[in-house]
Amino acid sequence: SQQGEEDPQALSIQEGENATMNCSYKTSINNLQWYRQNSGRGLVHLILIRSNEREKHSGRLRVTLDTSKKSSSLLITASRAADTASYFCATKGSQGNLIFGKGTKLSVKP
Amino acid sequence: DGGITQSPKYLFRKEGQNVTLSCEQNLNHDAMYWYRQDPGQGLRLIYYSQIVNDFQKGDIAEGYSVSREKKESFPLTVTSAQKNPTAFYLCASSPQGFGDYEQYFGPGTRLTVT
Repeated sequence: SQQGEEDPQALSIQEGENATMNCSYKTSINNLQWYRQNSGRGLVHLILIRSNEREKHSGRLRVTLDTSKKSSSLLITASRAADTASYFCATKGSQGNLIFGKGTKLSVKP
Repeated sequence: DGGITQSPKYLFRKEGQNVTLSCEQNLNHDAMYWYRQDPGQGLRLIYYSQIVNDFQKGDIAEGYSVSREKKESFPLTVTSAQKNPTAFYLCASSPQGFGDYEQYFGPGTRLTVT
């Protein structure tokens, strides 16, 4: 019952560069969430964007949502080594719970 | 310190044994969730509870059981019926259910069954 799917699966960049990851989903949504997971740790919530919003910012993070294309993107500007993690998008499933994609593994090299 | 805790961090068991993973939250959240994560994969929902004394099966409930006798606690038992129990287990909570709220995650328990 996977709803969201992130792209690319893996991304490797140099410190200071921007990182963009995408999420596509299948059914209509009320909101879409992005989470980060450091290796071997729990997930941390980053941003929730509602279906009537097109863009949202939080620090160096920028999330866009295009409901006509059923897609969202997460942009991390001026990346740091500490941004190395896996990033997941999540949308609401038919049972009302959150459904997570498989994630994008970001590696930021110093 | 408010948050969600899981214990233990690492757990080793022999095949055929049941094992219970602990999850406690002091955030006063109504909803709690258990997920399983396999290497390089996303999260798969095992069970969730939107209120005390009530819980629902997720996508992969077979071989698992839960209880929700207290608002703060949502333990997960991995039974011997679970065919491939070795995985990373994550517990989460949210103010209410229905996927409209951010979820707060615990640090996870890595279970190894040999």
